[in-house]
Amino acid sequence: IVMTQSPLSLPVTLGQPASISCRSSQSLVYSDGDTHLSWFQQRPGQSPRRLIYKVFNRDSGVPDRFSGSGSGTDFTLKISRVEAEDVGVYYCMQGTHWYTFGQGTKLELK
Amino acid sequence: EVHLVESGGGLVKPGGSLRLSCAASGLIFSNTWMSWVRQAPGKGLEWVGRIETKARGGKTDYAAPLEGRFSISRDDSNNTLYLQLNSLKAEDTAVYYCTTGLFHWHPDVWGRGALVTVSS
Repeated sequence: IVMTQSPLSLPVTLGQPASISCRSSQSLVYSDGDTHLSWFQQRPGQSPRRLIYKVFNRDSGVPDRFSGSGSGTDFTLKISRVEAEDVGVYYCMQGTHWYTFGQGTKLELK
Repeated sequence: EVHLVESGGGLVKPGGSLRLSCAASGLIFSNTWMSWVRQAPGKGLEWVGRIETKARGGKTDYAAPLEGRFSISRDDSNNTLYLQLNSLKAEDTAVYYCTTGLFHWHPDVWGRGALVTVSS
């Protein structure tokens, strides 16, 4: 399965919203009915960190300004108000047919 | 607090081998599925493989392009995960992370990574 993110570069003003799109080449609905789509954040110089799993479930400690949505093959990560600590690269990942990451979206401040 | 610490990275010649270790603490390792993810310099994330718990037979699965050269194992008595890298190529140069984060039923934990450089 190929995961395609857009945009690949996302300049955002502090306090403004941001949105990242992720499309899969096949449906991510698993045989159990769940959709295994996760979002990861990688800040500069750090290891990745999972933000969202199964489309919209936030991990413990993840600020509620992060939200995930979507279904089937189209998914979105939204940040309601970007803060300085949100700078980094964001990856979507499908876990329905083994594991594949998107190319990454680099979020930077304008 | 849960920690994963990778070790064993370094410089190796093409065709050579290396074994990475990942020491786990703060979690019931024997009940935890584990995975390796790598990241080539300046590039994105790539799944390497995973290992299930011994209760599920310790089944291993690998990314198709890597199967046959890479091997994952675990030592639950020492809370350690391993990644055996064989027949290494220049394109295997990357930071290798061990993680639980690919499995939504586990808390998300990542090590700091181990750098493997394949060069003559």
